[in-house]
Amino acid sequence: GEDVEQSLFLSVREGDSSVINCTYTDSSSTYLYWYKQEPGAGLQLLTYIFSNMDMKQDQRLTVLLNKKDKHLSLRIADTQTGDSAIYFCAESLDNTDKLIFGTGTRLQVFP
Amino acid sequence: EAGVAQSPRYKIIEKRQSVAFWCNPISGHATLYWYQQILGQGPKLLIQFQNNGVVDDSQLPKDRFSAERLKGVDSTLKIQPAKLEDSAVYLCASSSRDRPQETQYFGPGTRLLVL
Repeated sequence: GEDVEQSLFLSVREGDSSVINCTYTDSSSTYLYWYKQEPGAGLQLLTYIFSNMDMKQDQRLTVLLNKKDKHLSLRIADTQTGDSAIYFCAESLDNTDKLIFGTGTRLQVFP
Repeated sequence: EAGVAQSPRYKIIEKRQSVAFWCNPISGHATLYWYQQILGQGPKLLIQFQNNGVVDDSQLPKDRFSAERLKGVDSTLKIQPAKLEDSAVYLCASSSRDRPQETQYFGPGTRLLVL
């Protein structure tokens, strides 16, 4: 079945690294995504990774994919107060555009 | 490039009333999606259009929800009659089939409260 799980909350100090984790169950995922949602706003695509990759780096963001364990993580280096938001991981299923979202992780950055 | 537009941004209605939401996707995007996001949860796909045809409406409660995209551009989502459990944010998204790896661009959403 399709199920994407995330921890609900993460609190970090400004300047530290944040690591947000996600597990998924469907082995036929084609792409895996990280979205950011700020209060009252829609979802903003941060980055994505193709399922045959194990790492992708984009400026302060690093995505790690462990396909064997069906585990995805997002590392934010030098976390800033502006990074405070809810982060959703999502998977797209093979040969479809359908996105399955996790429950979201609320990241709080304190000074 | 203008983003996905949605209106209204907020709506408060009483149960058993009707409500409609409007979405204008990014210009040239053939695929349009409606999601329901209940507080504390991730978005859940309600319906997906490819141009003006329905691709997937398996999660749409068809006894009360309907959606259309008559000319393959704008779309409306209607709830009739509304129930308390319909209180949620309704997100519209669009994507280009030419670059699927860039996935879906989301609008700001319509926040619905059913009393």
